[in-house]
Amino acid sequence: DIQMTQSPSSLSASVGDRVTLTCQPSQDVMKYLNWYQQKPGKAPKLLIYDVSNLETGVPARFSGSASGTGFTLTISSLQPEDFATYYCQQYAKMPLTFGGGTRVEI
Amino acid sequence: EVQLVEGGGTLVQPGRSLRLSCAASGFSFEDFAMHWVRQIPGRGLEWISSISWSGDTIGYADAVNGRFTIVRENAKNTLYLQMNSLTVDDTALYYCVKSRQQYGRGYFDFWGQGTVVTVSS
Repeated sequence: DIQMTQSPSSLSASVGDRVTLTCQPSQDVMKYLNWYQQKPGKAPKLLIYDVSNLETGVPARFSGSASGTGFTLTISSLQPEDFATYYCQQYAKMPLTFGGGTRVEI
Repeated sequence: EVQLVEGGGTLVQPGRSLRLSCAASGFSFEDFAMHWVRQIPGRGLEWISSISWSGDTIGYADAVNGRFTIVRENAKNTLYLQMNSLTVDDTALYYCVKSRQQYGRGYFDFWGQGTVVTVSS
């Protein structure tokens, strides 16, 4: 199985900060990497698919990119509604696997 | 509006069985793969099963393979998860999830609100 390692596991930030989250797969996942946002008590929501494609309706302050063998999710200017947990997910190989999540706190 | 409404979650004893259902609406159900993903409260997400648009390609996580069965009825826009030989480790919130793809390898573009399964004696 492909293991997905996210770092940091949590971070504290302020409104307006630029925040970068990372995801490192244990094997090459090519372009098959997605990001989800989950707020407390809510279902996850797709933010970015295939490394860098913004899902419809997701604000442009969110962006995704590849960096070497890993991937990053960047929030250019953190907003109050962005405080949540973020998960990466690969679909290069079955079983589909998620990272452990990064919790973004105030 | 896309809706996925799960049902069937409850308190069940170890070793017993349970069937979850997911009623889909607002999209062409028969065109997309569907998944079940679970989450232990306060923990991360775990994919457990997928079924292709036609039902002919199915996958399971090792943790549930041989115990759980995923089924879809396209005529009823409904997805099911038959869960047998339940253990305490199956206690979780179970999400019904729509894929953007027709087959299992894909990403999840819409999630239901989940149904809680608690396995305890």
